[in-house]
Amino acid sequence: DQQVKQNSPSLSVQEGRISILNCDYTNSMFDYFLWYKKYPAEGPTFLISISSIKDKNEDGRFTVFLNKSAKHLSLHIVPSQPGDSAVYFCAASRSGGGADGLTFGKGTHLIIQP
Amino acid sequence: EADIYQTPRYLVIGTGKKITLECSQTMGHDKMYWYQQDPGMELHLIHYSYGVNSTEKGDLSSESTVSRIRTEHFPLTLESARPSHTSQYLCASSDEGSFYHGELFFGEGSRLTVL
Repeated sequence: DQQVKQNSPSLSVQEGRISILNCDYTNSMFDYFLWYKKYPAEGPTFLISISSIKDKNEDGRFTVFLNKSAKHLSLHIVPSQPGDSAVYFCAASRSGGGADGLTFGKGTHLIIQP
Repeated sequence: EADIYQTPRYLVIGTGKKITLECSQTMGHDKMYWYQQDPGMELHLIHYSYGVNSTEKGDLSSESTVSRIRTEHFPLTLESARPSHTSQYLCASSDEGSFYHGELFFGEGSRLTVL
């Protein structure tokens, strides 16, 4: 049973507009959430994270929002750029659980149209 | 910039062959991991190590084995490859600070195709 769900396999957004990638989770024990970005033929790279004690975390063009009651988080990219075209993985963990406690979603392929 | 390297990047082999996927990191991280990922699917942890002579199986059962004789080196071996082993294998590492929450440094991956 999938504990971290990314229900949109792909998303197409025009350059300059906002990209919103969504992620839902079912395990209420998760208290730390991460987004990884993956280009074809490369390994994922860590992008941004958020602790469950916060509802928002910003890093430049990237903002992650967490709605604990809905068990939902989203990644906003503003403005979207061609280099943002990649697969984005949502991941969740329990603090102290370590990286071996990470659970990944299936990813959303973001395509930025010129 | 993460310094974690995987070889080979791509490998096509026949059924029954023994293969070893190499992973090395120069960051001095104690913790290393192997993930398996198929297109459109989640990353699944198949092995991890918390230090020299420490190895554990992950949540996805795998016929592969690993060893950790040196801190910087974490090779994965398949004694007899089968078509079902066709996948991308991703090696990762973390330090004490990033380990707590699951922040990982990934290598570029090894894409294995077994005919």
